[in-house]
Amino acid sequence: DAGVTQSPTHLIKTRGQQVTLRCSPKSGHDTVSWYQQALGQGPQFIFQYYEEEERQRGNFPDRFSGHQFPNYSSELNVNALLLGDSALYLCASSLRFGWTTDTQYFGPGTRLTVL
Amino acid sequence: AQRVTQPEKLLSVFKGAPVELKCNYSYSGSPELFWYVQYSRQRLQLLLRHISRESIKGFTADLNKGETSFHLKKPFAQEEDSAMYYCALISGGSNYKLTFGKGTLLTVNP
Repeated sequence: DAGVTQSPTHLIKTRGQQVTLRCSPKSGHDTVSWYQQALGQGPQFIFQYYEEEERQRGNFPDRFSGHQFPNYSSELNVNALLLGDSALYLCASSLRFGWTTDTQYFGPGTRLTVL
Repeated sequence: AQRVTQPEKLLSVFKGAPVELKCNYSYSGSPELFWYVQYSRQRLQLLLRHISRESIKGFTADLNKGETSFHLKKPFAQEEDSAMYYCALISGGSNYKLTFGKGTLLTVNP
C-alpha cells in the first residue's frame, strides 16, 4: 500500500487561474480531508469529504471547493487564485468518518506557487 | 473557537538531555489531543494521542486540563528525534477537524 498519494507534486500558476489537486486515500479509507499549510505555519483544515459529500468545512472562501468520487479519491479545486494561496496542500485519509480517535494518514502534499 | 499554541518555534538540545515541547490549547470542552511529527523529507505522521496514554519512541504527553496543556516529553533525546513537531486537537462532538499549532522544530545536537 503506497499510502495516501497526491498529484501533482509541484504546480505553478498565475493569479486568477484555476487549479485542481488530486488525492487517493490509503487503501480501505473512505474519509478524505484537505489542509493548507502556508510557510512557517501548521496545517489548516479546509474541508472533509465522506460518501461524496462535504461534511465539515474550515474558514476558507467558496473559491475552495472539492469533490469525492465513488472510489473515495478526491479533488481540491481553487478558483481565481490569489498570491496568498501559495502553500503546501495536504490530503489526509482516515478509516471511519466521525471517529475522532482514528489516525489521519497524510500524503506528501502538493506545493502550489501562485505568481 | 479552538486554538493550539506552541510557544517555541525552535528548540535545540544535546543528545541525552531531556526535552519538553510545549503545547497549550484553548477549548472549553474536552478535546482530543495529538502530537504529529514530520521528519526531514517525510510526510506528516501521528506520533501519539492522549486517549491512548501510550509512549512512542520514548515520548510521552500528559493532558493537563487545569492548565490546558499537552506538553510532549522525552527523558533522553536522540539525534533521530530531530524533526518538526505539531500539536493538534479535535474538539469532538460533531466536529472532526484537526486544529494544528504552528509547530516546533526540534534539533538534537551530538
